[in-house]
Amino acid sequence: SYVLTQPPSVSVAPGQTARITCGGNNIGSKSVHWYQQKPGQAPVLVVYDDSDRPSGIPERFSGSNSGNTATLTISRVEAGDEADYYCQVWDSSSDHRVVFGGGTKLTVL
Amino acid sequence: EVQLVESGGGLVQPGRSLRLSCAASGFTFDDYAMHWVRQAPGKGLEWVSGISWNSGSIGYADSVKGRFTISRDNAKNSLYLQMNSLRAEDTALYYCAKVYDSSGYYTPSPFDYWGQGTLVTVSS
Repeated sequence: SYVLTQPPSVSVAPGQTARITCGGNNIGSKSVHWYQQKPGQAPVLVVYDDSDRPSGIPERFSGSNSGNTATLTISRVEAGDEADYYCQVWDSSSDHRVVFGGGTKLTVL
Repeated sequence: EVQLVESGGGLVQPGRSLRLSCAASGFTFDDYAMHWVRQAPGKGLEWVSGISWNSGSIGYADSVKGRFTISRDNAKNSLYLQMNSLRAEDTALYYCAKVYDSSGYYTPSPFDYWGQGTLVTVSS
């Protein structure tokens, strides 16, 4: 089955840029979606189809995907961005299943 | 306003069954595929199952295949998850999620709305 690998944690100072990676075999050929989850809350879609943003999501959130790595980039990080972030793809090779990465805890220093 | 409200969770003994429900409102339910995603305490997200608009396409995670059954009733705007032979490792918060793509088909669409979840605890 398809595996997505994320770093357990990323730390960044306010105002700086955070980059959260999501590794997978030839992930560049798949559409990657990213979710933000704050403690006690349901996940929120922040980037879909590699780099598109749902309405209401700040332009500070962006994404890219190439080769074996997809990246969620958060510019001008704010304290309110502190959360867990998950990448997700559809694995068409294994009976059409949804796969999530293990999640990355973003800490704003 | 899109709303997804899960119910049916609770404490259940290993080996027993439980049926979760998700009541949907604020959108045309039968235009969308729907999914269940769970999250064990302190852990990450795990996809459980998904179903197309007409129940013609269904998928399950290996961890629940053969034990869980997803279904929907479009007349009642409701999604269900029948969970049999429950195990301790099924303990989790179960979320109902709507996909972004309005084709209704079982496609690689992101989840744009989530419920608040219903907690299932499997313990003797």
